[in-house]
Amino acid sequence: GQSLEQPSEVTAVEGAIVQINCTYQTSGFYGLSWYQQHDGGAPTFLSYNGLDGLEETGRFSSFLSRSDSYGYLLLQELQMKDSASYFCAVSPNFGNEKLTFGTGTRLTIIP
Amino acid sequence: DVKVTQSSRYLVKRTGEKVFLECVQDMDHENMFWYRQDPGLGLRLIYFSYDVKMKEKGDIPEGYSVSREKKERFSLILESASTNQTSMYLCASRWLFSGSTGELFFGEGSRLTVL
Repeated sequence: GQSLEQPSEVTAVEGAIVQINCTYQTSGFYGLSWYQQHDGGAPTFLSYNGLDGLEETGRFSSFLSRSDSYGYLLLQELQMKDSASYFCAVSPNFGNEKLTFGTGTRLTIIP
Repeated sequence: DVKVTQSSRYLVKRTGEKVFLECVQDMDHENMFWYRQDPGLGLRLIYFSYDVKMKEKGDIPEGYSVSREKKERFSLILESASTNQTSMYLCASRWLFSGSTGELFFGEGSRLTVL
């Protein structure tokens, strides 16, 4: 089976840095993705890690350690619009058909 | 721009009714998916389709069926709605050869309430 754990809620200050962790226990693992979802909106793809290490995309970075079954999403220079839910998701194989999502982290940015 | 459109944003149905949730994508994607989103449970895969007339069960297919007669359209069917199917339903699609990331494109969801 697949299980992913991430904190349910995180609060951070505008302009600061925040890290959202994700640990996984899965029967197969190919890569870890992150999605953002604003209230009432569609989830949108943020990043993907197939190999260990850090992937950077603007203010957002994502990290993976396959040996630790652990990854995180790092958001820098936080803006109010970053308030949203963030989901990690595991791809069990190259085709990613049965992408398994975590339960989501609700990030609240305060002034 | 990639667009996945779900026909109904909000539906209210009665127990035992047959419910159709429609999803249309305009990107010529081969793969389409139906997820269910519930607080504290994240997104759970109900069914997915590799291509036209092809379908496979996801993690929670009980009580649901799907139809994919055309490439751009993927329908989720609740044969006899029950109150425990009250939820947000999300449709997603992606290219078959989307590379290693397998990026999914989601619709904005259909919130179904079963009374």
